Amino acid sequence: AQKITQTQPGMFVQEKEAVTLDCTYDTSDPSYGLFWYKQPSSGEMIFLIYQGSYDQQNATEGRYSLNFQKARKSANLVISASQLGDSAMYFCAMREVPNDYKLSFGAGTTVTVRA
Amino acid sequence: NAGVTQTPKFQVLKTGQSMTLQCAQDMNHEYMSWYRQDPGMGLRLIHYSVGAGITDQGEVPNGYNVSRSTTEDFPLRLLSAAPSQTSVYFCASSSTGGPHSGNTIYFGEGSWLTVV
Repeated sequence: AQKITQTQPGMFVQEKEAVTLDCTYDTSDPSYGLFWYKQPSSGEMIFLIYQGSYDQQNATEGRYSLNFQKARKSANLVISASQLGDSAMYFCAMREVPNDYKLSFGAGTTVTVRA
Repeated sequence: NAGVTQTPKFQVLKTGQSMTLQCAQDMNHEYMSWYRQDPGMGLRLIHYSVGAGITDQGEVPNGYNVSRSTTEDFPLRLLSAAPSQTSVYFCASSSTGGPHSGNTIYFGEGSWLTVV
């Protein structure tokens, strides 16, 4: 079964607008961590934001925020005030106990920011 | 601050050739992993190691071999390259703090492999 589902293969967003990238996850373990990564055209994986399953508040990192809805098992990434440099592939990933040696990744969402 | 160093960045192989992708980390991490990235599939785990001398298979291990003789190094060997192994490969290392340790996972810059 797919552990991470990203249903949006591609999205377009206007510069300076906000965009929400969807991510749902599947786990029966109460202890897990959720990650978002950005992969620009140069190919490297850039860590954006992290949310622990026991965290009471939604994570924020600058223009990135994570809308964590535990009961719905969703962890959507919100990018505010989009910039041209935000054009990239975005991956949602999960790290679980006891298999904390690995990340399970979604298929990714390509974001294109238009001027 | 090297982090995770992965080489080579680009490689073209002929079918049947063998090669080794190198991965080294300088953070004294116990966990190291190899992933492959294919279009529409995200990253999938090939092999992983939870410490020197300990390795195990991930989701897509066929055609690959690993060893971990030191904490720092975790090479990935393609035994007899096939076109299906054309992919982008990422090495990652992490500490053992578990999923609530925040971001303790570090990726190499990736290796683009083409098998013709």
